[in-house]
Amino acid sequence: SQQGEEDPQALSIQEGENATMNCSYKTSINNLQWYRQNSGRGLVHLILIRSNEREKHSGRLRVTLDTSKKSSSLLITASRAADTASYFCAPQGYGGSQGNLIFGKGTKLSVKP
Amino acid sequence: DTAVSQTPKYLVTQMGNDKSIKCEQNLGHDTMYWYKQDSKKFLKIMFSYNNKELIINETVPNRFSPKSPDKAHLNLHINSLELGDSAVYFCASSHDPGGSYEQYFGPGTRLTVT
Repeated sequence: SQQGEEDPQALSIQEGENATMNCSYKTSINNLQWYRQNSGRGLVHLILIRSNEREKHSGRLRVTLDTSKKSSSLLITASRAADTASYFCAPQGYGGSQGNLIFGKGTKLSVKP
Repeated sequence: DTAVSQTPKYLVTQMGNDKSIKCEQNLGHDTMYWYKQDSKKFLKIMFSYNNKELIINETVPNRFSPKSPDKAHLNLHINSLELGDSAVYFCASSHDPGGSYEQYFGPGTRLTVT
């Protein structure tokens, strides 16, 4: 199992701006997943990108994956106050304990109205 | 309609007690998980379990034990509670343990040990 490390730890932007969060990991992966956690709530799955994919979109979310650099980024366009939350990346390996998601400390995003 | 549910939502108890947290999923998933989120918001996996295999994070004390009466339930039993067990515990489920499937999380149980 392996852990993703998010960067920056905290990000504060104005509503309408774009927010970019980065994730780095260390070993080969099957896929990489991004999750959001609102304060006091459970995690909500946002996007899963497979190791053979380079970019994926979902609404205002865009995720890129560079397996050669072992990094991923999450872009939220036209941010809203409701996007305020912590965002976690979770690289997933292949089977057994390697299939477990190991979360980092996350990026705490604050979107000011 | 709740996909993954946990009870109770809050649990306050004294050191030395034994307690259980229940988790149920109605998604038909094969695999369930328990996570612990400490005060610094660091989310750590404790167990992953399906009908074939229990994978335990080696850092988890043996005071913690998962119990699965059936595929839709994975309860967490904690013996001899300690102050350091205070945290938010999340249950999750997914289609299978190692495949490319997202996990669905419950709302969490905030455990406070006094």
